[in-house]
Amino acid sequence: GDSVTQMEGPVTLSEEAFLTINCTYTATGYPSLFWYVQYPGEGLQLLLKATKADDKGSNKGFEATYRKETTSFHLEKGSVQVSDSAVYFCALNIDYKLSFGAGTTVTVRA
Amino acid sequence: DVKVTQSSRYLVKRTGEKVFLECVQDMDHENMFWYRQDPGLGLRLIYFSYDVKMKEKGDIPEGYSVSREKKERFSLILESASTNQTSMYLCASSFHRGSSNQPQHFGDGTRLSIL
Repeated sequence: GDSVTQMEGPVTLSEEAFLTINCTYTATGYPSLFWYVQYPGEGLQLLLKATKADDKGSNKGFEATYRKETTSFHLEKGSVQVSDSAVYFCALNIDYKLSFGAGTTVTVRA
Repeated sequence: DVKVTQSSRYLVKRTGEKVFLECVQDMDHENMFWYRQDPGLGLRLIYFSYDVKMKEKGDIPEGYSVSREKKERFSLILESASTNQTSMYLCASSFHRGSSNQPQHFGDGTRLSIL
């Protein structure tokens, strides 16, 4: 079935460090891909999305490119801040249902 | 902005009780979803609904049921609560069935403890 595998955490970084969270997917069709973020005590918020191959999603300094050849959608940010501390989820959407990765906890230290 | 509101942030119930979790969205979305979130497992889909009075099982429906009598409201029911249903429950909605690039919008979650 359709599934997502993302890098296990937790990840701890210093402020202004570079962040990468790996995400790969398995799907029989042509899914849309999403990154969601969950800040402490809150629900999930959409961070960015890409709907077809080679699309790049971006928001709040985060970027991810939909790579069909490697079935990947890695999340990157060039310079993280303490406020980026959160849990990040990769997800794919085929039809109208989402399949989520296990989540990666990121902690940024000042 | 889309608002998805879950009726309780924290809930404590006893084993064997019938538990109702309520979710309301204000954007006329057709699709609504219930997930549970557990550490290391991500989000798992319990049930979803693509229209009033319509429902479909997700990946882990056992021990749960749902009700959608009005478009804006989607209720999750634990028929006889058990300790293994202690979890964070998240409700979500999205705009249109069959549209794969529409994001889901989430509520803040209900942390349910079954004692």
